[in-house]
Amino acid sequence: GQQLNQSPQSMFIQEGEDVSMNCTSSSIFNTWLWYKQEPGEGPVLLIALYKAGELTSNGRLTAQFGITRKDSFLNISASIPSDVGIYFCAGQSNFGNEKLTFGTGTRLTIIP
Amino acid sequence: DAGVIQSPRHEVTEMGQEVTLRCKPISGHDYLFWYRQTMMRGLELLIYFNNNVPIDDSGMPEDRFSAKMPNASFSTLKIQPSEPRDSAVYFCASSFRAETQYFGPGTRLLVL
Repeated sequence: GQQLNQSPQSMFIQEGEDVSMNCTSSSIFNTWLWYKQEPGEGPVLLIALYKAGELTSNGRLTAQFGITRKDSFLNISASIPSDVGIYFCAGQSNFGNEKLTFGTGTRLTIIP
Repeated sequence: DAGVIQSPRHEVTEMGQEVTLRCKPISGHDYLFWYRQTMMRGLELLIYFNNNVPIDDSGMPEDRFSAKMPNASFSTLKIQPSEPRDSAVYFCASSFRAETQYFGPGTRLLVL
């Protein structure tokens, strides 16, 4: 099936550093979502974006919906050990369209 | 709410055996999704239901896979006969009116 391209695939950073990752698509999406998956668990929704250009924050997390509607970005400020996990973007072509297309994931590892 | 419940959490079986995965969605949710996650292919949507009716099964790999939703609080994904390449983590997710999808903890399947 179709997948969104996420980069980087993995990141090794020191505690306290900021993190940036992005997601790109060849198709336009009207909704962008960011999920986090921890070991042994299912993905958990972090942030949802519904409008091109929108910038939304959730604590130390900030996500943006790209103007072209073909990309999205996630930033984590002042990383802490519990930020470890795999971050997935997901696109939805129309709000209310049931199907999500998931990105390939960015694995975040934090060095104490 | 207990969230989406999946069972079993882990399953080890031999090639050729029948495998049945179970899911209890969040009460009141009208959409239910089955996903498969592997390192190679990431998160793939297999099938989803709306009000217990299968809407799109285009992601089901082949006839060995089948899914049912006999009522609003229960769904099964069956693989018969199972093959080693079916080894993956299978997630169930549910949502209300095709909005935010909430994932279960997953079933880790190993077919020997």
